[in-house]
Amino acid sequence: KAGVTQTPRYLIKTRGQQVTLSCSPISGHRSVSWYQQTPGQGLQFLFEYFSETQRNKGNFPGRFSGRQFSNSRSEMNVSTLELGDSALYLCASSLGSGAGGNTIYFGEGSWLTVV
Amino acid sequence: QQPVQSPQAVILREGEDAVINCSSSKALYSVHWYRQKHGEAPVFLMILLKGGEQMRHEKISASFNEKKQQSSLYLTASQLSYSGTYFCGTEVTGAGTASKLTFGTGTRLQVTL
Repeated sequence: KAGVTQTPRYLIKTRGQQVTLSCSPISGHRSVSWYQQTPGQGLQFLFEYFSETQRNKGNFPGRFSGRQFSNSRSEMNVSTLELGDSALYLCASSLGSGAGGNTIYFGEGSWLTVV
Repeated sequence: QQPVQSPQAVILREGEDAVINCSSSKALYSVHWYRQKHGEAPVFLMILLKGGEQMRHEKISASFNEKKQQSSLYLTASQLSYSGTYFCGTEVTGAGTASKLTFGTGTRLQVTL
């Protein structure tokens, strides 16, 4: 069974640009969550999508957005990139919505560097 | 609010035991434990639910003290492969479908020969 797949794995962007990251969840999983990981802040929750609906959102500015498609694949977008957006962006999938005792599986992440 | 993990870092010799703690100031529904090696994805170890039993994954076990809102991860007879950063993710009670995991800052574990 394939795991959570994220693309691209590595990318470098310039301040002010925008970026789109993609995530394919484990087959059959309908919930996709996104996290930002940095050395200083650890794993920070961005948002969760379930059946194409955003169910939960973390404390990030509106420049961070996401969406989920009917096949459960998800994308997140960051507009007007800032240097502080440099981080590992992790996608995670689970069968059900919310943690709710659901096991959450992570992808290998997309390393974003903003210069 | 972010759960507090302790210790922040620990170095063990192969075969030694270790305990990692995760504490929350809020009433918890579940605690999830993950291990992450450098440059890799966090790997799920186990989940503990409110009212549930102590869990075990190979020689790693965990408990959940509901009265203290604290979970402890026990690594027995550590192996080199146990090295990595351990994260606990907590889920508070009553959040329903808006529930999410809030992660601690991690405990860096290094096992040496």
